[in-house]
Amino acid sequence: SQTIHQWPATLVQPVGSPLSLECTVEGTSNPNLYWYRQAAGRGLQLLFYSVGIGQISSEVPQNLSASRPQDRQFILSSKKLLLSDSGFYLCAWGWVKETQYFGPGTRLLVL
Amino acid sequence: KNQVEQSPQSLIILEGKNCTLQCNYTVSPFSNLRWYKQDTGRGPVSLTIMTFSENTKSNGRYTATLDADTKQSSLHITASQLSDSASYICVVSQNDYKLSFGAGTTVTVRA
Repeated sequence: SQTIHQWPATLVQPVGSPLSLECTVEGTSNPNLYWYRQAAGRGLQLLFYSVGIGQISSEVPQNLSASRPQDRQFILSSKKLLLSDSGFYLCAWGWVKETQYFGPGTRLLVL
Repeated sequence: KNQVEQSPQSLIILEGKNCTLQCNYTVSPFSNLRWYKQDTGRGPVSLTIMTFSENTKSNGRYTATLDADTKQSSLHITASQLSDSASYICVVSQNDYKLSFGAGTTVTVRA
């Protein structure tokens, strides 16, 4: 069976510090991978998606970036965090026109 | 602009009672509609996924309906349990990458 992992679970970072969130998927090959952000009381917002190694599409302009160095690894990064980057970050995997499966999420608080 | 509107924003029901959540969307073109359950601080978990030609789909005590003509969907929870307390999110897909998320309905089940 497939599983998806995210870490860390919770992160508190000062404004201007760098960020690296990691997501890994087990039990499947060449999945589509996604990064979402969920602000309090708001719907999920797609940040990035990837259809393969090194292939990243950005949905929303921001100071975040994503990379996919391996087939089942997806990384969300920032060089300098902003207060507005606070939120709940979710990684997901899925297939075309099929259900997306979400990881447990990382709660980021930028102070 | 593609939108997904959910109502009510929140509701409280007594254990054992039924409830119905609504989702109206303006997304076009339409590929499929999904309902997810999200426990507090966790990633969403898929409940149902319906394509254009499907009118209803059940998953245990959860039954989703879809009227593609009026662009409305509902999620009915039968004989609610305390574990049903969560946020329920309606997601409309144009394709695998373009998902439009509703803000969710928060359901609280009380004993």
